[in-house]
Amino acid sequence: SQQGEEDPQALSIQEGENATMNCSYKTSINNLQWYRQNSGRGLVHLILIRSNEREKHSGRLRVTLDTSKKSSSLLITASRAADTASYFCATGQGGSEKLVFGKGTKLTVNP
Amino acid sequence: DTEVTQTPKHLVMGMTNKKSLKCEQHMGHRAMYWYKQKAKKPPELMFVYSYEKLSINESVPSRFSPECPNSSLLNLHLHALQPEDSALYLCASSRGLAGGYYNEQFFGPGTRLTVL
Repeated sequence: SQQGEEDPQALSIQEGENATMNCSYKTSINNLQWYRQNSGRGLVHLILIRSNEREKHSGRLRVTLDTSKKSSSLLITASRAADTASYFCATGQGGSEKLVFGKGTKLTVNP
Repeated sequence: DTEVTQTPKHLVMGMTNKKSLKCEQHMGHRAMYWYKQKAKKPPELMFVYSYEKLSINESVPSRFSPECPNSSLLNLHLHALQPEDSALYLCASSRGLAGGYYNEQFFGPGTRLTVL
């Protein structure tokens, strides 16, 4: 079953704008991870935030985690056409050996 | 070397063929994974190997047979597949188990499989 649910399913913005994607999950987690996938290719790990962390930054990426609301957001600032991809959140749960992926957000950045 | 490699990149096979997908990593990771991904869908976990032992089989049909010959290699043997098995097959590895506190997964580029 899917743990994470991304919102929105699709997002289209202009270059230079910020893009925000949200992820909700249902059970307690050890970590939440964000991945990017360019069309037809493998997934690339972007950032991991642990359950005891609230915010994390990596370059133009900012991730927040609210465990009380069971939600996370990924902010991409000053977007570029090269950011066009699908973005997935994935949760790691206590005692589990696996990640559970959400349905993903398809981001299109128009030049 | 922070790469997961997969071969072949593309594979077309008939329903009576036997083929294998290969995955390799040299990062010393102890967990390796096979995923299946259909178009516009998230990856679906198929198998997890931990320390070269199969630890999770997500009720995958027996026409898919995983093998972990050593800590760096992961194979997926395919036999008598159906057209609905056509998908992108992704391999991944992680230092420890991905559900743990701080283990990200590294993915290979995938094998695009078409079953005729």
